[in-house]
Amino acid sequence: QVQLVQSGAEVKKPGASVKVSCKASGYTFTSYDINWVRQATGQGLEWMGWMNPNSGNTGYAQKFQGRVTMTRNTSISTAYMELSSLRSEDTAVYYCARSTLLFDPWGQGTLVTVSS
Amino acid sequence: QSALTQPPSASGSPGQSVTISCTGTSSDVGGYNYVSWYQQHPGKAPKLMIYEVSKRPSGVPDRFSGSKSGNTASLTVSGLQAEDEADYYCSSYAGSNNFVFGTGTKVTVL
Repeated sequence: QVQLVQSGAEVKKPGASVKVSCKASGYTFTSYDINWVRQATGQGLEWMGWMNPNSGNTGYAQKFQGRVTMTRNTSISTAYMELSSLRSEDTAVYYCARSTLLFDPWGQGTLVTVSS
Repeated sequence: QSALTQPPSASGSPGQSVTISCTGTSSDVGGYNYVSWYQQHPGKAPKLMIYEVSKRPSGVPDRFSGSKSGNTASLTVSGLQAEDEADYYCSSYAGSNNFVFGTGTKVTVL
């Protein structure tokens, strides 16, 4: 079955970077975009950006431009999201999702905690 | 890009119906028929319930239905069941590979 499995929880200090992975299985990795969405505790969903695994092309929400980088390794069907210059407000669960003008399925989420 | 506007909460008794609105602009909801709805239970990842305004993925009960008029989309849950108690989010394509989510609605089954 189509599945996205994300890397485990991370704890980072302010100013550091975090890189979250998202491994796809059950479909051709290069045939669908991967989008990233985050959710702070008790808050709503926030779209961060997209990546085309075939071309490597990316697009980021204006809020994250300059701080986020989305990449992939097609040989292992894995997408990555790296967020730099972390601050406490970046503490959230980060989700990857396969997308074709909708998001389905989603990864299980990765909790990133930013704390000194 | 501003978040789409949803009511914070909605409720109904078992068997009743509840409708959630999702208001955007002509640049997102009103401009494209790519509105989708997601159900999220506590501690879980979101699950696709409706796509392209009114289409249901296989496995989603037909109690869930979607519609759109102008800049506002709606999700209706008919015949409410206890397991429908969750947070619901709308999402819309906003052009140039951009997306925007709604503010979320907590549905309570009384």
